[in-house]
Amino acid sequence: NAGVTQTPKFQVLKTGQSMTLQCAQDMNHNSMYWYRQDPGMGLRLIYYSASEGTTDKGEVPNGYNVSRLNKREFSLRLESAAPSQTSVYFCASSEAQGLGYTFGSGTRLTVV
Amino acid sequence: KQEVTQIPAALSVPEGENLVLNCSFTDSAIYNLQWFRQDPGKGLTSLLLIQSSQREQTSGRLNASLDKSSGRSTLYIAASQPGDSATYLCAVKGNTGKLIFGQGTTLQVKP
Repeated sequence: NAGVTQTPKFQVLKTGQSMTLQCAQDMNHNSMYWYRQDPGMGLRLIYYSASEGTTDKGEVPNGYNVSRLNKREFSLRLESAAPSQTSVYFCASSEAQGLGYTFGSGTRLTVV
Repeated sequence: KQEVTQIPAALSVPEGENLVLNCSFTDSAIYNLQWFRQDPGKGLTSLLLIQSSQREQTSGRLNASLDKSSGRSTLYIAASQPGDSATYLCAVKGNTGKLIFGQGTTLQVKP
């Protein structure tokens, strides 16, 4: 099925541990995005990649790094996880400026 | 800075009612506006996409309108069903290319 695939779906980390969230899309979209969703805060943009080879900070980039590995894949890394990073993380992709976004099913991360 | 607001935050209606969800945005310089549906514990499903040059889009029982000049969009749901119960999110895409979300309206349709 065409779309955006995120792995893992669930993860529990201890404070200070690191991990990488994976995202891949098979729609040949140029742009990819990472959002986090928290109760009462809505969806907030962490990082985005307008095209292969470029990445830019979003609204809440602190504590995260990203890699646009190729056109299909955009990963999000937590170098030293903190309880404040407990959230649901969504990856999305978009073909062009005027077109809509497609979202993955999310990764539910808990940092204890 | 673009800000998106959705009112009401929650809505409960009996089955069969027609209803309207509201979305407002502060910067009218947008490329498009997208309505999403999110079921509990799930991802976002795109419902309707309205380009900045369009006034409305329709899909089945859903109709979304856009008034750029006033910074408003509405999502109209006709003949609501219990299966429509979900959170509905409005998001606008501006000239930065970023999608800015409202906080959503949680809809409950009672049988």
